[in-house]
Order: sequence, then structure tokens, then C-alpha cells
Amino acid sequence: QQQVKQSPQSLIVQKGGISIINCAYENTAFDYFPWYQQFPGKGPALLIAIRPDVSEKKEGRFTISFNKSAKQFSLHIMDSQPGDSATYFCAASMRQFYFGTGTSLTVIP
Amino acid sequence: NAGVMQNPRHLVRRRGQEARLRCSPMKGHSHVYWYRQLPEEGLKFMVYLQKENIIDESGMPKERFSAEFPKEGPSILRIQQVVRGDSAAYFCASSPVSGMGNEQFFGPGTRLTVL
Repeated sequence: QQQVKQSPQSLIVQKGGISIINCAYENTAFDYFPWYQQFPGKGPALLIAIRPDVSEKKEGRFTISFNKSAKQFSLHIMDSQPGDSATYFCAASMRQFYFGTGTSLTVIP
Repeated sequence: NAGVMQNPRHLVRRRGQEARLRCSPMKGHSHVYWYRQLPEEGLKFMVYLQKENIIDESGMPKERFSAEFPKEGPSILRIQQVVRGDSAAYFCASSPVSGMGNEQFFGPGTRLTVL
């Protein structure tokens, strides 16, 4: 079964807007939650990651919000830019990485 | 400092042939992971190796697939007697520390097409 559920499948945002992608998990043993960005024809690249002992982590325009009790975490991209258009994957890790199914983000100029 | 390298980038095989995918981890990384990505899907873990050891192969199909990471040279993912359903992008990742709960650096992938 899908260990990590990601939504939405696709997202269109106006330039300068906020992009929000959500993920939910079931296994409370997960201890590392990264987000990866993937451009067409390329491998995934780590964007930002969080561990469950903090509720939020911010790096530049990218923020992870983590809700341990709800077993949910989300990626917020502030001031979205056309260059942010890519596929974003959340993941949860215990002994191995479990990836969400991805969100295709399109930022319209 | 070169990143994770994979070759070939594209591989075309006919049904029944063998496919060999190679992965050279980042310098100083001794942990290698292989993932498979089907169109419109996320990455699915296949196998985790350290030099000369398979640590976790719980995601590997039981037949036709094998992986190795020899003392010298790249890691190899080998698919014997390929079928159309093996068509996918195969990604390798490496990490400098043990265990899987740490940052992994991905290569550009090998896109396998089985005719």
C-alpha cells in the first residue's frame, strides 16, 4: 500500500503566489521527511528536509510545516517563480525511503 | 566534486535481452541505493548496498533482478530477460553515512525502454 500519500497531483499557481503541497503518512516510526524537486529528464534533488522533533523549517522561499499528531507535513513555496515549475516529491524515511506520487507544479508568469 | 554518475542515460533493449545499469556514487560515499520510477509515479525503493554487501533488497523483484557494489568500480543493477514492464527510469542515489534516514544524492537516471 502507499505509505505516503501526496496531494494534489498537479498544481497551477500564478507568479508571486504561494504553492502548497501536502503529504500524509501512517507509520509513526518514520524519522526523516525530505522534499525533492525533479525537473524533466533529471534526477530528484533534495530541496529541504525535516525531522519530527520540529514543527517547521524554513530555507529561503521554501518552508516545511510538520504536524506530528496529524501525521501530516506540507511544503510551502512562497513567491512562486516560473523556475519553480517542476515535479515535487515528499518522502518519509525509516529504514528505507517511501516516496509520494509527486505533484506537478506549474507557475504561470 | 562530481555528483552521482549513471550510465548509460538511455538504454533500449528487446524483450529477453539483458540490461546493465551502472552507478558511480559521489566521492567519499560508500552507500548506494537503487530506485525505479514508472511514468507519473513516485520512486520505488529497490535495493540498498554498501561496498561488497547487500544491506536491504526488500524492494527488488525476486526474479531477473540483481545488484552488486564491488570493492572497485561502480554499482551495477542487472536485469535479465527484460520484459516490457521493466521499461522505467532507474535512479541511483548515494549517501556518505550509514542508514537510510539521511540525505541521499540522486544521479540523473537511466531510462530503460524495452521493445
